[in-house]
Amino acid sequence: RKEVEQDPGPFNVPEGATVAFNCTYSNSASQSFFWYRQDCRKEPKLLMSVYSSGNEDGRFTAQLNRASQYISLLIRDSKLSDSATYLCVAQKTYKLSFGAGTTVTVRA
Amino acid sequence: EAGVTQFPSHSVIEKGQTVTLRCDPISGHDNLYWYRRVMGKEIKFLLHFVKESKQDESGMPNNRFLAERTGGTYSTLKVQPAELEDSGVYFCASSQPGTDTQYFGPGTRLTVL
Repeated sequence: RKEVEQDPGPFNVPEGATVAFNCTYSNSASQSFFWYRQDCRKEPKLLMSVYSSGNEDGRFTAQLNRASQYISLLIRDSKLSDSATYLCVAQKTYKLSFGAGTTVTVRA
Repeated sequence: EAGVTQFPSHSVIEKGQTVTLRCDPISGHDNLYWYRRVMGKEIKFLLHFVKESKQDESGMPNNRFLAERTGGTYSTLKVQPAELEDSGVYFCASSQPGTDTQYFGPGTRLTVL
């Protein structure tokens, strides 16, 4: 079983739309959670950390449900520049476990 | 501030050859990590250094892979001899002591023919 499972998408949305997707993680001992963004043939870049209380960073909202071992990301008012692969990441001590990524394409 | 750098960006070698990848972490980052993404799979942890010491190499696939970080600055990852299944993108990341955030380098794309 994969440590982090994500819907691969692709999610194809028009500019200005809201898109939401999620992932699940299998290791209940995971301590920290993140969303990373990866552009084609580039390195993963930290988008935001995810907290149980839910947190927002501009147009991005992330939520963690520890009971269900479920993490979500919502993007409001999508921009063309939001097109990327979004990687769900669970961390235990220093070790990051990545999902395979959810591809989002925002069209004009 | 310079980010994590990796060299080379691409490497194409034949099966049985040796390849050495290099990673320079962000200055002052004691923690250095190697990860790998093989075709169609997720990024997976290979190993973790704190300064020059290997803390965890549980993700290393087999003994054909050797990582070093002499002097606690840059790190090298050697694959000897390379096999076809070693093809993929090798990422290096670094972090400051006591923090969760890992910063990734651009990766080395390794192709074994």
